[in-house]
Amino acid sequence: GAGVSQSPSNKVTEKGKDVELRCDPISGHTALYWYRQSLGQGLEFLIYFQGNSAPDKSGLPSDRFSAERTGGSVSTLTIQRTQQEDSAVYLCASSLTWDQETQYFGPGTRLLVL
Amino acid sequence: DQQVKQNSPSLSVQEGRISILNCDYTNSMFDYFLWYKKYPAEGPTFLISISSIKDKNEDGRFTVFLNKSAKHLSLHIVPSQPGDSAVYFCAASNYSGNTPLVFGKGTRLSVIA
Repeated sequence: GAGVSQSPSNKVTEKGKDVELRCDPISGHTALYWYRQSLGQGLEFLIYFQGNSAPDKSGLPSDRFSAERTGGSVSTLTIQRTQQEDSAVYLCASSLTWDQETQYFGPGTRLLVL
Repeated sequence: DQQVKQNSPSLSVQEGRISILNCDYTNSMFDYFLWYKKYPAEGPTFLISISSIKDKNEDGRFTVFLNKSAKHLSLHIVPSQPGDSAVYFCAASNYSGNTPLVFGKGTRLSVIA
């Protein structure tokens, strides 16, 4: 079956512009996570959605970052007024429920802010 | 404040020998630990996990050891194969508290044929 997909795979933008990153989780997975990996850094948790519950936004680095999940499926991570330090690979993962062991990751979106 | 540390950014091992990847953590509330493997241009894939009630978990060529008193875990791969060449991430969480995974920076393993 299809895994987690993300689009675009690469995004180059100018500083100050807004960007939207999309994640399509595995069908039926109720939990969806966003992480980012900056150069030379580990994976940094950003936000987590579980079913219809309010998302855990504790990892969002600033109010320029927001995410939504429509209909419990597709999620969009939006970064407003991008800064050069936002350059990173943004990874989405999904799991059947809150189950740390079986998070399935997408290939990521590589964002470069010039 | 880095709660999960992988102090070796890279490791090179001969094919057939043992690879040992290390991970240290500082948060004593962590009770669940995982290793992920990541190939270039792909997302991480789950490899093996261990809960704090155990000190060892084995799955084929992969074994994870946990030393709670030292707040240290290690991943052993034996025998190492060229296909094991990847970046390995250590991750930890407070599972009962449903907290997000905290990842280390990763160790790049190169297995030389």
